Amino acid sequence: DAKTTQPPSMDCAEGRAANLPCNHSTISGNEYVYWYRQIHSQGPQYIIHGLKNNETNEMASLIITEDRKSSTLILPHATLRDTAVYYCIVLGGTASKLTFGTGTRLQVTL
Amino acid sequence: DADVTQTPRNRITKTGKRIMLECSQTKGHDRMYWYRQDPGLGLRLIYYSFDVKDINKGEISDGYSVSRQAQAKFSLSLESAIPNQTALYFCATSDPGQDKGYGYTFGSGTRLTVV
Repeated sequence: DAKTTQPPSMDCAEGRAANLPCNHSTISGNEYVYWYRQIHSQGPQYIIHGLKNNETNEMASLIITEDRKSSTLILPHATLRDTAVYYCIVLGGTASKLTFGTGTRLQVTL
Repeated sequence: DADVTQTPRNRITKTGKRIMLECSQTKGHDRMYWYRQDPGLGLRLIYYSFDVKDINKGEISDGYSVSRQAQAKFSLSLESAIPNQTALYFCATSDPGQDKGYGYTFGSGTRLTVV
């Protein structure tokens, strides 16, 4: 699986957009980018995933660069409940299991 | 009821004791996983099972064993617990198609303390 690099922590004001970056420069053509988040000590929760096109759902948007070497998760209007650790994971091809790094700890403040 | 149920939620046990953590799911998924999480770290895979007859070691399987009793049940055992197995344990299920990382469902976790 391709390795990902994320900043260890970020802050965001409530109501503003939270933009969480992820580098995955060794991603291969058949690998997807997944985002999960973990609120406090709960089980991780799926947010969104994509292959090469930008994706949007009710939770977030995912922007993948044209060369696919990096991506950004966007929470358009962050709330205090979005405070969590966000994991960017690359998976595909013959690999078949999610592997978690240390993620980005997002703190949303008033 | 939760889709993935872990029992117990919290457990304190003594060094050397055998302990079993249980996981059951109502998702109907074939794939099940056990992860552990240490403070400040991401989740690490202990064991995984792609169907009832398929059990595989993850990256940190030493000191652990598993049993897949049915499609819906996947148990994790610590044969002789030691303090560095103190951690938060998560069970998960998935039913992937081409998008292999999509739709993992995690339980609420079991907080295990070995004293």
